[in-house]
Amino acid sequence: AQSVTQLGSHVSVSEGALVLLRCNYSSSVPPYLFWYVQYPNQGLQLLLKYTSAATLVKGINGFEAEFKKSETSFHLTKPSAHMSDAAEYFCAVTENSGYSTLTFGKGTMLLVSP
Amino acid sequence: DVKVTQSSRYLVKRTGEKVFLECVQDMDHENMFWYRQDPGLGLRLIYFSYDVKMKEKGDIPEGYSVSREKKERFSLILESASTNQTSMYLCASSSGERGTDTQYFGPGTRLTVL
Repeated sequence: AQSVTQLGSHVSVSEGALVLLRCNYSSSVPPYLFWYVQYPNQGLQLLLKYTSAATLVKGINGFEAEFKKSETSFHLTKPSAHMSDAAEYFCAVTENSGYSTLTFGKGTMLLVSP
Repeated sequence: DVKVTQSSRYLVKRTGEKVFLECVQDMDHENMFWYRQDPGLGLRLIYFSYDVKMKEKGDIPEGYSVSREKKERFSLILESASTNQTSMYLCASSSGERGTDTQYFGPGTRLTVL
């Protein structure tokens, strides 16, 4: 069985500050990990994904995430927040064992203030 | 670009009505998914399909059914809508058999059952 925990349903940062969104996973086999973003009134869009290659993954819009097996974590970071980053972010996991479906976390709403 | 479209952005139905939510993708993807999204609960998988006329139950299939008569179209059916099915419904599609494949999402249908 697989699961995802996102710490903090809401995270507030100032424009220009570091963004850190936390994700911890549980998986019985090596996982594949994803971060998706949902802007208001839109569907989800892929930010980045880890598929057992490099542990530091770079995505769109300046975001990156690091896979840490020892900590079972896949935290999302961005050095400097923009107002346009305000959205809901979802971490998801699937198992690296043939066909598998995604299990999503409950989401973290990122609020960016001027 | 992959495009996933959903038949309605907003839908209001009455308790007991039969409701059809339609999803169409234009990238010849084998796999299609229906999720519901509720505040604080993230995305939960209702049903998915990895081939025409095939369907698999997700985590919360009760009260729902699906139909996939053509590769590009995946319908979610609420046989007798109830107020607890008021939610945002998201459709997604992906290619291939591996869990690493990116899922592409439609804009969602916000369903209200009165």
